[in-house]
Amino acid sequence: ETGVTQTPRHLVMGMTNKKSLKCEQHLGHNAMYWYKQSAKKPLELMFVYSLEERVENNSVPSRFSPECPNSSHLFLHLHTLQPEDSALYLCASRQGMNTEAFFGQGTRLTVV
Amino acid sequence: ILNVEQSPQSLHVQEGDSTNFTCSFPSSNFYALHWYRWETAKSPEALFVMTLNGDEKKKGRISATLNTKEGYSYLYIKGSQPEDSATYLCALSQDDYKLSFGAGTTVTVRA
Repeated sequence: ETGVTQTPRHLVMGMTNKKSLKCEQHLGHNAMYWYKQSAKKPLELMFVYSLEERVENNSVPSRFSPECPNSSHLFLHLHTLQPEDSALYLCASRQGMNTEAFFGQGTRLTVV
Repeated sequence: ILNVEQSPQSLHVQEGDSTNFTCSFPSSNFYALHWYRWETAKSPEALFVMTLNGDEKKKGRISATLNTKEGYSYLYIKGSQPEDSATYLCALSQDDYKLSFGAGTTVTVRA
């Protein structure tokens, strides 16, 4: 248990569905991240929030919409996804730029 | 997108043997170099965060070195054990909160 909790662990959704991924940390960290891990590809940074403000949006399609209502919670809202969006989505948090990141267990997303 | 490269992509090691692998990165705007271990069905876990040129860090049988001027880091595993089998990721932290990962080196230790 790393202190970062992601729900759900697995999600199957149709291309017309709307769903949300949730990430929660109670480590007192001030930065939270969404990463995408596709098969045989590096971890791909999607979004970074620092003190609840988005500081990075790595050219992610608008069908992915992040939300950070407070420093402990991060959401990734999904709508009209494509099959190529099927991947493992990892949330992470950390305190400061020279500290380690703590990862959640990930959500395995399948778009059908 | 930062160009963090790791080599080799995978390697197989006999139990008891030592091994090492490389992470290379652009040295401009460097803040920190991270190493993580990612075991199957688990989350990535931090091994080291290194900030200074010439840094050497050690945790048990695993150690790492850092050269920020030439832009590389080595991870060493001494006397490999089956439980060392995992994917080892390096990541670069620059002058913002961005943390960019390499593709990883997958280590398989044969008993």
